[in-house]
Amino acid sequence: AQKVTQAQTEISVVEKEDVTLDCVYETRDTTYYLFWYKQPPSGELVFLIRRNSFDEQNEISGRYSWNFQKSTSSFNFTITASQVVDSAVYFCALTRMDSSYKLIFGSGTRLLVRP
Amino acid sequence: ETGVTQTPRHLVMGMTNKKSLKCEQHLGHNAMYWYKQSAKKPLELMFVYNFKEQTENNSVPSRFSPECPNSSHLFLHLHTLQPEDSALYLCASSQDYRGREPQHFGDGTRLSIL
Repeated sequence: AQKVTQAQTEISVVEKEDVTLDCVYETRDTTYYLFWYKQPPSGELVFLIRRNSFDEQNEISGRYSWNFQKSTSSFNFTITASQVVDSAVYFCALTRMDSSYKLIFGSGTRLLVRP
Repeated sequence: ETGVTQTPRHLVMGMTNKKSLKCEQHLGHNAMYWYKQSAKKPLELMFVYNFKEQTENNSVPSRFSPECPNSSHLFLHLHTLQPEDSALYLCASSQDYRGREPQHFGDGTRLSIL
C-alpha cells in the first residue's frame, strides 16, 4: 500500500538554526513522484519541489535542500538558517501511479521558528 | 488575477442550509480537485475532474455534490451537512490529472457547521 509518514508532528527551532523535516514513503510502484508543500497560516498549500523516482540527485534552492534516497525510501527536507517566515506546516506527498493517480499526503510537520 | 481563487474564505451554516463553494483557476490547467482538511487528519481527496469530467469520487457522502462546468471553474454544493463536516476545504488544479505535475492550491474555505 502507498503511504507517507512524517514522524515529526511539531518542531520548534530558534531563528538561524538548521532544521531537517523527515519524510518516509512506501510504494510498490517503480515509477512515482514525490512532492513537498508548505502550508502557511493563511491556508493555501504552496508547491516547493517535485522529484521523480528515477532522479536521485539532491537539490538545493536557496536555503532549501532536499535529500532523496531510494534505498531508505526517504525524501528529507532541510532548511538552512531558518527564518520566522519559514513557520508553517510542511507536507510530503507521493503520487499513486495506478489508475487513480491520487496524491497521498503525509500528516504534516508543523515548524515553528522563534525569533 | 492569477492562481487558484476560492470563495468564500469563511462560511458558517446550519445543518439544514444549502450553500456552494466556488473555485476558479487562471492557470490554464485541465484538472481540478476538491480536498478536505480536518484537524489532526491528513488531507483527504474528495473529487477529481479532468477536462470537466469527474474521474474520482473518493467515497464522499452525497451531501457533497461537485459541479465542473468548464476546466476553469469548480463548485462544491453543500446540503444537510453534519458537524463533522466542519473543516478547511481546499481546491487545487494541475496541468493534468496523472500525478506528474504539481497541484496548485487555493487559500481554502473554512467551513463551520452549527
